[in-house]
Amino acid sequence: KQEVTQIPAALSVPEGENLVLNCSFTDSAIYNLQWFRQDPGKGLTSLLLIQSSQREQTSGRLNASLDKSSGRSTLYIAASQPGDSATYLCAPKLTGGGNKLTFGTGTQLKVEL
Amino acid sequence: DVKVTQSSRYLVKRTGEKVFLECVQDMDHENMFWYRQDPGLGLRLIYFSYDVKMKEKGDIPEGYSVSREKKERFSLILESASTNPTSMYLCASSLAGGAYEQYFGPGTRLTVT
Repeated sequence: KQEVTQIPAALSVPEGENLVLNCSFTDSAIYNLQWFRQDPGKGLTSLLLIQSSQREQTSGRLNASLDKSSGRSTLYIAASQPGDSATYLCAPKLTGGGNKLTFGTGTQLKVEL
Repeated sequence: DVKVTQSSRYLVKRTGEKVFLECVQDMDHENMFWYRQDPGLGLRLIYFSYDVKMKEKGDIPEGYSVSREKKERFSLILESASTNPTSMYLCASSLAGGAYEQYFGPGTRLTVT
């Protein structure tokens, strides 16, 4: 059974800092991995999808990397802003998993002025 | 842009009442999913559907049933006997096949008193 861990569970940083969120998973037989953002009481917004054949994926100030063999992904946020404050979730999709995602419990990020 | 909508943002029901949640997507996606989200447990898959009238159990199907009569619509029914139904319920959709990202709706916060 896939287990997903996200470290740290919570993070508070001053505005402008570059930061890294970590995601590890126990089963490396994945199709891809998706990073999401969730604002309090809201649904999930897809940020990046990185396929198993890719090493990196970028969107604006966000960069996700994937090391499938070691079961790790990182989300890098450059020049953080207060609007980045949210919970960030990673979700790998197993091959043969019937399109199911397994979620970590997230990293709660607060960017302060 | 993909749009996934859910019938209610907030819902309050009494113990013993049957609950009906509806999800609609407008991008002709084959796959649709129902998750619930609880503090400390993350998102867990209840049921998913890969085609009209097709469904598969997720990780926690007990106490729930689903219906998919039309491609764009996926309904979740909470039977009156389900335990601990108070939760955040999230619907998602994606194209068929494992390579595609899932898109989420805004969620329904269900409280059962």
